[in-house]
Order: sequence, then C-alpha cells, then structure tokens
Amino acid sequence: DADVTQTPRNRITKTGKRIMLECSQTKGHDRMYWYRQDPGLGLQLIYYSFDVKDINKGEISDGYSVSRQAQAKFSLSLESAIPNQTALYFCATSDLVNDEQFFGPGTRLTVL
Amino acid sequence: QKEVEQDPGPLSVPEGAIVSLNCTYSNSAFQYFMWYRQYSRKGPELLMYTYSSGNKEDGRFTAQVDKSSKYISLFIRDSQPSDSATYLCAMSALRGGYNKLIFGAGTRLAVHP
Repeated sequence: DADVTQTPRNRITKTGKRIMLECSQTKGHDRMYWYRQDPGLGLQLIYYSFDVKDINKGEISDGYSVSRQAQAKFSLSLESAIPNQTALYFCATSDLVNDEQFFGPGTRLTVL
Repeated sequence: QKEVEQDPGPLSVPEGAIVSLNCTYSNSAFQYFMWYRQYSRKGPELLMYTYSSGNKEDGRFTAQVDKSSKYISLFIRDSQPSDSATYLCAMSALRGGYNKLIFGAGTRLAVHP
C-alpha cells in the first residue's frame, strides 16, 4: 500500500466551485505539505503543517485553505476555483529528524 | 530571477549514454542539495541527497555540488530506458524553523533503446 495517498487523482470542475483535495499518510510523520506543480515552474509550496495545531502559509497560499484533521490527514481546499488554479497538486510528508520529503501520487485538477 | 534555475530540456539520449543534468542557484545560504526523480503520473521521489560541496556516488548516479560556483550536477552513467523521467533539483535553507525546499523546474529526460 502507498504510504502517501491523495484523492481524487483527477478532477474537472467549473469556475466558482468549491473543491477539496485530500491527503492521507501512514508514515507516521508529523510534517505535511501541499505543493502545486506547473510546467516550467517546478513545485511551489502552498501550505505546510508541522503538527495538528500548526498551519503555515507557503509561497502561493492566496485562493487556498487547508485543514489538518489529524496527524495523518491534511486537506487542501479551493474555496472558489478559477482557471489559473489548473495544475498538478502534490501532498508530501517528512519527519522531524530527516528532511527527506515523501510525495503522494498527485491530483490533476482542471478548472474550466 | 528565480532562486533555482534548471534547463527544462527535453533531453533525448541513446541507451548507454552519459547524461549530465544541471542546476544553478543564487542563494548562498543553501546547504542541502537534492535530486528528485519523477516518473509520468507519479510523485517525485528522492534520488540523491548531498550536504555542502563535493561529490556523492550511488551506483550509476553521481551528484556534484560546487558551492563556489553555485552549481550542482547529476550524472547518470550507462543510461537506461528506465531512467526516462523528469529530474528535479532541490535545495534547502533554514527558513521558518525548518529546511524549506526550493525546486528547480525539472528536466525531462528520454533514454531511447
């Protein structure tokens, strides 16, 4: 079984709709991250969380919100989706000692 | 100017070739340097991890860091079709209480039989 899972894997939605992307992990890591990947831009950090009570904005948090429901679950919401939020979204985890980040398989989001 | 620059390619080579992938960076505070490999429709996975300057070898892969030139490289010897993927460089510096990763845009590599 995958250590970091994301649902859905693909989603097509319309402008103005609210969308939630979910991430779950079985690695037991405290730290979780949400990234966005666009062609030619690499991975950009949206939000990160060091534990259930700790949420921090990344480089491109405008238009996004997150919820850390448990150590193993970290959700990303788009309150009112817009076309330029069309991208590949990745969740990642890491532990306190090792900086290595483990990525989920990604969610491909298309906003029409 | 981006903190990390990486040639997006694509790079196409024959099987068995030596591949050189490169990144340059502008922030001298970066201390940790990584290469991630990303197969199509998959998340990135860590391939190589180095601290500060020098070389690190792992099988067919060698990572080089030249901090004086702000330049890192990944060499792949005897490249195989299974090496076909996008390679992302990443580097980190202590920010906000943790080592925040800054990624390059990724270089797409195709190794043909």
